[in-house]
Amino acid sequence: AQKVTQAQTEISVVEKEDVTLDCVYETRDTTYYLFWYKQPPSGELVFLIRRNSFDEQNEISGRYSWNFQKSTSSFNFTITASQVVDSAVYFCALSPRTNSGYALNFGKGTSLLVTP
Amino acid sequence: NAGVTQTPKFRILKIGQSMTLQCTQDMNHNYMYWYRQDPGMGLKLIYYSVGAGITDKGEVPNGYNVSRSTTEDFPLRLELAAPSQTSVYFCASSQSGQWGYTFGSGTRLTVV
Repeated sequence: AQKVTQAQTEISVVEKEDVTLDCVYETRDTTYYLFWYKQPPSGELVFLIRRNSFDEQNEISGRYSWNFQKSTSSFNFTITASQVVDSAVYFCALSPRTNSGYALNFGKGTSLLVTP
Repeated sequence: NAGVTQTPKFRILKIGQSMTLQCTQDMNHNYMYWYRQDPGMGLKLIYYSVGAGITDKGEVPNGYNVSRSTTEDFPLRLELAAPSQTSVYFCASSQSGQWGYTFGSGTRLTVV
């Protein structure tokens, strides 16, 4: 079975604080892909990052960084020096290779509120 | 390059009515998907297609039907709308999954 768990339903931080969004996944596949999407209040889904199961290197993109650990089946997302514009719902998603059609399995999302 | 286009953006249906949500992509992607998003529940897969003429059920297919007569189009049909189908519907496409997905802007459907 494929499953993505985002245990944090809502997080509220003050601007400039660092915040980490947790993502834990389950899959029996050895090859799979992990994604993070951002959904701002406007409702569209914005792609943030893709990571394949063979690449455990952490990645940094500006204020965003991702920590992928296969040993704990986690793919956590950190925003450094958060800004009000980071307020959104963030989804972690899993695409197992053996799943027909490569359909994404989404977590329930974490709603992040950044206040001035 | 339009990407994935969904129409309509908003719709209100009465219980028992039927409608079709349209989805068109211009990237020649083989894979297409329909998801629904309920508040606080993430996105759940309704149906998917791996190519023209091939469709399959996802996690929550009841009450819906799809067809894929062309590579570009993947309409979602709601028969006998029910309040439980009130949701935001997203269509997406992908060339091979691993290279990412392109999502439409969504259709907000209310059944009253």
